[in-house]
Amino acid sequence: DQQVKQNSPSLSVQEGRISILNCDYTNSMFDYFLWYKKYPAEGPTFLISISSIKDKNEDGRFTVFLNKSAKHLSLHIVPSQPGDSAVYFCAARVYGQNFVFGPGTRLSVLP
Amino acid sequence: GAGVSQSPSNKVTEKGKDVELRCDPISGHTALYWYRQSLGQGLEFLIYFQGNSAPDKSGLPSDRFSAERTGGSVSTLTIQRTQQEDSAVYLCASSFDRGNTGELFFGEGSRLTVL
Repeated sequence: DQQVKQNSPSLSVQEGRISILNCDYTNSMFDYFLWYKKYPAEGPTFLISISSIKDKNEDGRFTVFLNKSAKHLSLHIVPSQPGDSAVYFCAARVYGQNFVFGPGTRLSVLP
Repeated sequence: GAGVSQSPSNKVTEKGKDVELRCDPISGHTALYWYRQSLGQGLEFLIYFQGNSAPDKSGLPSDRFSAERTGGSVSTLTIQRTQQEDSAVYLCASSFDRGNTGELFFGEGSRLTVL
């Protein structure tokens, strides 16, 4: 049973518009969440994190929102750029345990 | 180097052979993780080392898989009697946990192909 779900395998967005990537989780004990970006043939690179004590964290064009009651988080990218085209993974963990990753969403930003 | 280093970057082996994959984490990082990504799949957790604690081996798919971390630094993932379904990119990550923070820094991965 997947504890971290990313129900959209792919997403296409026009350059300059907003990209919204969604992630749902089932374990209410998760208290720290991360977003990663992965290009082909490279390791995942860290984008942004959020602790369960917050509902929003912003870093430049990237904002992560956390809705604990809905067990849902989302990553907003504004404005989207062609270089953002990659696979995006969300990850979550219970303190002191391993990170559980979602299956990923492939984002394509069209020029 | 400053990042997580993995070797080999590519390994092709025959079914039934043993392979060893190496991970050199970022200096000072207390936690080390192994994940794998099969073609078209997400990141599958394998094993997690945290400081001197007993490792969390709950993700290892079979007893053909083992890992060790010597001196709290370098880690080796060993796969015995490889099978074709072991073909994947094996990713190592390290982190320096500070309370409930500490993102993972990933290496570039070791791509294993079992013929």
